Amino acid sequence: GAVVSQHPSWVICKSGTSVKIECRSLDFQATTMFWYRQFPKQSLMLMATSNEGSKATYEQGVEKDKFLINHASLTLSTLTVTSAHPEDSSFYICSARDGRGQVDTGELFFGEGSRLTVL
Amino acid sequence: QKEVEQDPGPLSVPEGAIVSLNCTYSNSAFQYFMWYRQYSRKGPELLMYTYSSGNKEDGRFTAQVDKSSKYISLFIRDSQPSDSATYLCATDTGGFKTIFGAGTRLFVKA
Repeated sequence: GAVVSQHPSWVICKSGTSVKIECRSLDFQATTMFWYRQFPKQSLMLMATSNEGSKATYEQGVEKDKFLINHASLTLSTLTVTSAHPEDSSFYICSARDGRGQVDTGELFFGEGSRLTVL
Repeated sequence: QKEVEQDPGPLSVPEGAIVSLNCTYSNSAFQYFMWYRQYSRKGPELLMYTYSSGNKEDGRFTAQVDKSSKYISLFIRDSQPSDSATYLCATDTGGFKTIFGAGTRLFVKA
């Protein structure tokens, strides 16, 4: 299957600093990438949909100014947690759809996730 | 009502047992049905993918979709301790929005 690389896998930062997480599709072009947040023992919560070359679409309740998403190329999307606070500590996961096919099959390929701890 | 309902478990079974994981969904427009496996502190990985109704088998895993009852299942035969993970069902209309179930935590005891 397609490979999505996410970096860093684990980051610790001080309160008030910003953290950037990268999501790369390694062997396919991803016109659309998704960012999720996952709390322990809970399912994935979609935060935003990232479209190459345009603004991200945020889900209700997700602060656009706190979670900055940039999708500058067909293989890279970044999530920046700005002015991080301890309550932002979570597991962040990206996913991408393989846009090569003519029919969207709904298959998503996930990154390994990034565990953010804000002290 | 959630669009996809899944019992979070946990489900604990002995090694070698047949495991049945299930989800129900509410939107008849869903066409694509997926099962993802997620190990602790890892991203989900696609396990099975089916389109519309029917069965799909891959090794020890069988995915089943019954669109008439809006019911999706994943069966694991000869379960192994390495199958211990959280299993997420997911569905999609093809409209770029995948809906996930809550995930069922499975423990297979040696």
